[in-house]
Amino acid sequence: AQSVAQPEDQVNVAEGNPLTVKCTYSVSGNPYLFWYVQYPNRGLQFLLKYITGDNLVKGSYGFEAEFNKSQTSFHLKKPSALVSDSALYFCAVRDTSGGSYIPTFGRGTSLIVHP
Amino acid sequence: EAQVTQNPRYLITVTGKKLTVTCSQNMNHEYMSWYRQDPGLGLRQIYYSMNVEVTDKGDVPEGYKVSRKEKRNFPLILESPSPNQTSLYFCASSTPDRGRNTEAFFGQGTRLTVV
Repeated sequence: AQSVAQPEDQVNVAEGNPLTVKCTYSVSGNPYLFWYVQYPNRGLQFLLKYITGDNLVKGSYGFEAEFNKSQTSFHLKKPSALVSDSALYFCAVRDTSGGSYIPTFGRGTSLIVHP
Repeated sequence: EAQVTQNPRYLITVTGKKLTVTCSQNMNHEYMSWYRQDPGLGLRQIYYSMNVEVTDKGDVPEGYKVSRKEKRNFPLILESPSPNQTSLYFCASSTPDRGRNTEAFFGQGTRLTVV
């Protein structure tokens, strides 16, 4: 079975400061990992993904995420937060070892960037 | 333009009145799924489909039905809606491609209120 955990319901950060949104996962085989963002009254938008290769993945809007196999984590980061980054962020995992190819999502983390 | 289209975007209905939320994708994706999003619970998978005529239950299938007669369409059916099905619903599609094209594409969401 595949699962993903986002341990923080909410993350608060001041504009200009670095931000981290945490995600840990559990899969039987190797994971595909994703981050999505949801702005108010909108659907989910894809931010970035880890498939294989370099552990540091760069995505849209200046976001990046680091895959850490030993810690089974895929934390989302940005060096300098913007107020416009305030949104709901979802981590998702897909197990590549077979079974369901549909991703499992975390509960989401609300990011609030203060001016 | 690659997209997943859900209709309607907003729906208010009464308890027990059958309804269908449509979902269509134009990317020839094999995989489609339905999620509901509730405050504090994140995204929970209702049903998914690996291909035409292949559907399976997700985490919260009770009270819902789906069908996959064509590759592009994956309607969600509520035979007898109840107030606890008031929620924000998302349809998503993706491909089993083991290369780079693995992320899910989401519809804009359907906000359903059952009174």
